[in-house]
Amino acid sequence: EIVLTQSPATLSLSPGERATLSCRASQSVSSYLAWYQQKPGQAPRLLIYDASNRATGIPARFSGSGSGTDFTLTISSLEPEDFAVYYCQQRSNWRTFGQGTKLEIK
Amino acid sequence: EVQLVESGGGLVKPGGSLRLSCAASGFTFSSYSMNWVRQAPGKGLEWVSSISSSSSYIYYADSVKGRFTISRDNAKNSLYLQMNSLRAEDTAVYYCARGFYCSGGSCYYDYWGQGTLVTVSS
Repeated sequence: EIVLTQSPATLSLSPGERATLSCRASQSVSSYLAWYQQKPGQAPRLLIYDASNRATGIPARFSGSGSGTDFTLTISSLEPEDFAVYYCQQRSNWRTFGQGTKLEIK
Repeated sequence: EVQLVESGGGLVKPGGSLRLSCAASGFTFSSYSMNWVRQAPGKGLEWVSSISSSSSYIYYADSVKGRFTISRDNAKNSLYLQMNSLRAEDTAVYYCARGFYCSGGSCYYDYWGQGTLVTVSS
């Protein structure tokens, strides 16, 4: 099973700052990686698929990069509504999720 | 508008059974792979099971294999999860999710329901 490790576990930033979230795979997943956002009491929302493609309706401040084993989700300038938990997920070999990064207001 | 609405959750004793349903609308249900993903209280996401558009391919996580059965009724635009021999560790919110960009049975998930809570406790 491919293990996805997200870092940091918690990221404390202020609105307007740039956020960089990391997801590392235990073996190559090529570009078959997605990112989701989950707010308290809500279902996850797909942000990025195939490492760098924004899903429908996702603002341009969200971008994804990486391939192989190292991936990054970048939020260029944080809006108040961006504070949430973010998960990565791979579909290269079976399907697994990372443990999540909590993005909190500093 | 795509909508997925789960139902059927509740409190059940260890060893008991429960059947979850997911009613889909706003898209051609019979054209999409469908999935169940769960989230234990305060924990991360765990994929549970997938079923292809025509029910030809079905997959389960090892943690539920032999106890859970996924099925669908394309005429009723509905997805189901029959859960037997439930354990305390099955306690979670269960989400129905539409498959997106699937390959070999593995998908991303582009639409999710609001979830239904299953609590396994004596």
